[in-house]
Amino acid sequence: DAMVIQNPRYQVTQFGKPVTLSCSQTLNHNVMYWYQQKSSQAPKLLFHYYDKDFNNEADTPDNFQSRRPNTSFCFLDIRSPGLGDAAMYLCATSRETGDIEKLFFGSGTQLSVL
Amino acid sequence: GQQVMQIPQYQHVQEGEDFTTYCNSSTTLSNIQWYKQRPGGHPVFLIQLVKSGEVKKQKRLTFQFGEAKKNSSLHITATQTTDVGTYFCAGRRTGGFKTIFGAGTRLFVKA
Repeated sequence: DAMVIQNPRYQVTQFGKPVTLSCSQTLNHNVMYWYQQKSSQAPKLLFHYYDKDFNNEADTPDNFQSRRPNTSFCFLDIRSPGLGDAAMYLCATSRETGDIEKLFFGSGTQLSVL
Repeated sequence: GQQVMQIPQYQHVQEGEDFTTYCNSSTTLSNIQWYKQRPGGHPVFLIQLVKSGEVKKQKRLTFQFGEAKKNSSLHITATQTTDVGTYFCAGRRTGGFKTIFGAGTRLFVKA
């Protein structure tokens, strides 16, 4: 089945140690998003790619970077994770056709920072 | 910036009771979407509303989009234990690709 796949499901890193989360999609959607969701909170948009165009949210810390080497893959790099970065990171895709623009979410990566 | 507010934060109901969650945006929206997130899961798309005053139904769920396209509601009739989860509204401004989520309403259903 076509889907959005995130690896790993759980990631543990040390304070200050760079970490990369990955997302792949078989939906051939042109927009990919990274959301951060902390416990009992709404998903918070970090950035999104429309094709190759990168769009950063104004309040996304510089500590967070993203790469989209091709349509199928998108990566979230956290350069120096702090304790406050522990959260669920959700990747999502959408196909911007002017019709229903729903988001398809991956299962997420739960990041712990020790 | 665009904000999407949602109330209540939590709702406890007895199975069979009705449930409603309300969503309000600080700006006019091009569309409003609703998602359900089960505990430990990821958000799953339920529906999208686009037209002013639109009403859509999915079995026991009724979704409304306000005339001004700034507010929306989700009503569940006769809740069941399978309805447990957090319901998020998510709005998008005209011409944008950002989907901004409300804070969500977590529904607890007691059998």
